[in-house]
Amino acid sequence: DIQMTQSPSSVSASVGDRVTVSCRASQGISNYLAWYQQKPGKAPKLLIYAASSLQSVVPSRFSGSGSGTDFTLTISSLQPEDFATYYCQQTHSFPLTFGGGTKVEIK
Amino acid sequence: EVQVLESGGGLVQPGGSLRLSCAASGFTFSSYAMSWVRQAPGKGLEWVSGISGSGGSTYYADSVKGRFTISRDNSKNTLYLQMNSLRAEDTAIYYCAKAYSGGWFFTDWGQGTLVTVSS
Repeated sequence: DIQMTQSPSSVSASVGDRVTVSCRASQGISNYLAWYQQKPGKAPKLLIYAASSLQSVVPSRFSGSGSGTDFTLTISSLQPEDFATYYCQQTHSFPLTFGGGTKVEIK
Repeated sequence: EVQVLESGGGLVQPGGSLRLSCAASGFTFSSYAMSWVRQAPGKGLEWVSGISGSGGSTYYADSVKGRFTISRDNSKNTLYLQMNSLRAEDTAIYYCAKAYSGGWFFTDWGQGTLVTVSS
């Protein structure tokens, strides 16, 4: 099975800050990676797929990069509505696996 | 508008069974793979099972293989998850999720249904 490791597990940031979240796969997955945002009590929401493709209606301040084993989600200027938990997911092979999550908190 | 709506959750004793349903609308159901993803209280996301659009291919997490069965009825636009031999560690919110055409990431999610396994 492919293990997905996210770091950090939590980050404190202020509105306007640039935030980066890392995700590492235990083996190469090319660009078969997705990112989700989840707010408390809500279902996850797809942000990025194929490592760097922005899902429709997702603001352009979100971006993804990486290939192989190392990936990054970047929020260029953090907005109040961005405080949430973010998950990566590999879509390369079964069983599909998620990272442990990164909680973005208000500083 | 795409909608997926889960039902069937509840309280069940260890060793018991439960069947979850997911009613889909707003898209051609048979054209899309579907999955179940769960989230234990206060924990992260765990993929549980997936099924192709035709129903001919099914996939499972190791943690549920042999106990859970995913199926679909394309005539009723409904996805199912039959859960047997339930354990306390199966306690979670179970989400139904629609996969992207041609990729196993999830564009649309239901609101989830809570399964509690406890005596």
